[in-house]
Amino acid sequence: DAGVTQSPTHLIKTRGQQVTLRCSPKSGHDTVSWYQQALGQGPQFIFQYYEEEERQRGNFPDRFSGHQFPNYSSELNVNALLLGDSALYLCASSHDIGTGELFFGEGSRLTVL
Amino acid sequence: SQKIEQNSEALNIQEGKTATLTCNYTNYSPAYLQWYRQDPGRGPVFLLLIRENEKEKRKERLKVTFDTTLKQSLFHITASQPADSATYLCAPFWTGGYQKVTFGTGTKLQVIP
Repeated sequence: DAGVTQSPTHLIKTRGQQVTLRCSPKSGHDTVSWYQQALGQGPQFIFQYYEEEERQRGNFPDRFSGHQFPNYSSELNVNALLLGDSALYLCASSHDIGTGELFFGEGSRLTVL
Repeated sequence: SQKIEQNSEALNIQEGKTATLTCNYTNYSPAYLQWYRQDPGRGPVFLLLIRENEKEKRKERLKVTFDTTLKQSLFHITASQPADSATYLCAPFWTGGYQKVTFGTGTKLQVIP
């Protein structure tokens, strides 16, 4: 049983560019959450998708957007990249009804130059 | 808004000793409180969950306590080993409209042989 998979694992962009990160949830999971983790910090909640809709959103600007597909996979898009967007982006999947236990992918390391 | 506080300073302990990590939260008690382990450059891995009405939970060498009066959870690793060296994240889960897992900044544990 494959766990949560994310792609790409590493990428380098320049300021002003746009990036798309992808996530496939663990089999049987219907909810996908995205987190941003800066060096030395805990993961910060970006948003959560369920039934192809954004259900919850953290304190992130509209430059951050996402999508969930009918097969529950998800994308995170970031427009007009800033240096401060450099971070590890984590995708986590879970059951909608449950205790909130999250299964994480290994993350996508984004560097903005 | 809810705040989660973990000791941001690294905790260094001798192999074989018990490591104790602290997590404090503000305002409302979460329905569940989770603990995750994160190794450098990797996604967090779920360890333990304790419910609001539970005082203590154990799993092998791990023990978690939950004191809703003090608004605090303690995470213990007994007979610590160098392989336990990692960052440990506290993650309260509030239900009733807050269907998201929020993380503390984490405490880095170093077990010295």
